Amino acid sequence: NAGVTQTPKFRVLKTGQSMTLLCAQDMNHEYMYWYRQDPGMGLRLIHYSVGEGTTAKGEVPDGYNVSRLKKQNFLLGLESAAPSQTSVYFCASSGLAGANEQFFGPGTRLTVL
Amino acid sequence: KQEVTQIPAALSVPEGENLVLNCSFTDSAIYNLQWFRQDPGKGLTSLLLIQSSQREQTSGRLNASLDKSSGRSTLYIAASQPGDSATYLCAVRGSSGGYQKVTFGTGTKLQVIP
Repeated sequence: NAGVTQTPKFRVLKTGQSMTLLCAQDMNHEYMYWYRQDPGMGLRLIHYSVGEGTTAKGEVPDGYNVSRLKKQNFLLGLESAAPSQTSVYFCASSGLAGANEQFFGPGTRLTVL
Repeated sequence: KQEVTQIPAALSVPEGENLVLNCSFTDSAIYNLQWFRQDPGKGLTSLLLIQSSQREQTSGRLNASLDKSSGRSTLYIAASQPGDSATYLCAVRGSSGGYQKVTFGTGTKLQVIP
């Protein structure tokens, strides 16, 4: 039981390049989330999903797209990276019922030059 | 709009001391509150989750309390150890709407000195 995993762990991009971050969970959770964490600003929600095939915008969605084609996977895409997207990205998941406890992945550190 | 505040931003204590971390929130319409620890360069590890109907939760040396009416939660750490050094975050899940938005505090960085 790996919990929530993220790939890659580190990435350096040049301005304008694109990339996709992959999140996978093996807990059969309905909800999945993408956050970014920046110094002094806490965690901010980018996009989230309440089930397979659904996505919705969070607080800071501009410049990002997401897809949830399979229940266990949640992809975050950057179509044209900008230096302002330099951050640490965390994926999380939670169950639909019960405590709704969130479980986090280890994070992806992205630098955009 | 829910706002979550954690004070102090940093705390340094000698090993063995009991300590309390504070979390306050502005909107009492919450579903639950979750405490996390984050080690440098790592993800968030869930410590305790308190449902809105509960007053406290305990796990080992950790005890979290919740007072919805005053918008406050505390995380009590007994007999602190150097391994407790980390940043502690609280997160509040709102209870309104179809999606229960989670709002995070900016954390308290704890250093336990041997």
